[in-house]
Amino acid sequence: GAGVSQSPRYKVTKRGQDVALRCDPISGHVSLYWYRQALGQGPEFLTYFNYEAQQDKSGLPNDRFSAERPEGSISTLTIQRTEQRDSAMYRCASSPLESDEQYFGPGTRLTVT
Amino acid sequence: GESVGLHLPTLSVQEGDNSIINCAYSNSASDYFIWYKQESGKGPQFIIDIRSNMDKRQGQRVTVLLNKTVKHLSLQIAATQPGDSAVYFCAEKLAGGTSYGKLTFGQGTILTVHP
Repeated sequence: GAGVSQSPRYKVTKRGQDVALRCDPISGHVSLYWYRQALGQGPEFLTYFNYEAQQDKSGLPNDRFSAERPEGSISTLTIQRTEQRDSAMYRCASSPLESDEQYFGPGTRLTVT
Repeated sequence: GESVGLHLPTLSVQEGDNSIINCAYSNSASDYFIWYKQESGKGPQFIIDIRSNMDKRQGQRVTVLLNKTVKHLSLQIAATQPGDSAVYFCAEKLAGGTSYGKLTFGQGTILTVHP
């Protein structure tokens, strides 16, 4: 079946612009996770949802970052007033309700110039 | 494709050898541990997991060992194949609470298998 999909796969934006990254989880998966992965490092937790409820947003770096999942399926990670330090691979994962195994998507490579 | 692991530990082995990848985890309260494989340009892929009430678990060609005393995790790959070449990450997870869904990843190791 279809895995986790993310769009766009690549995004180049100018400093100060807002960006929205989309994640489409595996059908039926009620838990959805956002991570950020810098080059040469493991994924770093940002936030996660069960259904439409945001359970933990402790990993969001600052208030420029927000995420939503209004209908409990697709999620959007929004970064406002982007900065060069926001450049990274943003990965989404999904799982059955808080199941231990998380399935990762291909990621969105964000470059802020 | 994406290049990860510019400054990661590396392990080079010959095809057919056994590989051992090590990981030191950080939180003594973690009760669940996972090994992920990440190939160039792809997202992490689950390999094997283990709970803190176990010290060994075997899968197909892979074995995970857990030493809670020294907070150490290892992944053993038997008869390593060129297709095993990737970056390997360990990850840990807490038992419960509001951060139940949060995986904390360790430093990866680049495995290169030579034919």
